[in-house]
Amino acid sequence: DQQVKQNSPSLSVQEGRISILNCDYTNSMFDYFLWYKKYPAEGPTFLISISSIKDKNEDGRFTVFLNKSAKHLSLHIVPSQPGDSAVYFCAAVRVTGNQFYFGTGTSLTVIP
Amino acid sequence: DARVTQTPRHKVTEMGQEVTMRCQPILGHNTVFWYRQTMMQGLELLAYFRNRAPLDDSGMPKDRFSAEMPDATLATLKIQPSEPRDSAVYFCASALRVVNQPQHFGDGTRLSIL
Repeated sequence: DQQVKQNSPSLSVQEGRISILNCDYTNSMFDYFLWYKKYPAEGPTFLISISSIKDKNEDGRFTVFLNKSAKHLSLHIVPSQPGDSAVYFCAAVRVTGNQFYFGTGTSLTVIP
Repeated sequence: DARVTQTPRHKVTEMGQEVTMRCQPILGHNTVFWYRQTMMQGLELLAYFRNRAPLDDSGMPKDRFSAEMPDATLATLKIQPSEPRDSAVYFCASALRVVNQPQHFGDGTRLSIL
């Protein structure tokens, strides 16, 4: 049973525009959420996180929004750059029980 | 810049052979994770260790997979006997804690079982 879902396997965006990557989860008890970026032939790298007590966290061009009532989070990249082309994974963590789950990833292509 | 090191980067072998994948976590990280990436399942957690002790290996097929940490600088994932369905990219990650800290991933071992 997928506790974290990324329903869009791929996304294409023009350079300079906003990229919005989405993630849905099923367990309201998750404590925080993370986004990882993965380039081909490399391991995922941590990008940004958000605690469940917040609804927004921003780091430069990257902003993560959390909507707890909808059990939905999104990653916004503004402006998108060709170097952002990668697979993005969202992950959810529940501290109690050391539980964490990854989504299946969304492949972002930023077109120059 | 500290990195998680995985060896080998690529492995091709025949069905039935033993496969050993190695991981050197970042110095000072006491938590080590093994993942398998497939097209359909994304990142599957196979097992993880804290302070070299296995905490959870429920994601791992026990009949053929085994994971160990002989010491704090080495984690191993073994498959014996290997099968074609084991073909995937296997990632190791380390962190300061099991949760509340981002995981740092190695670049993976791409395994092909013929």
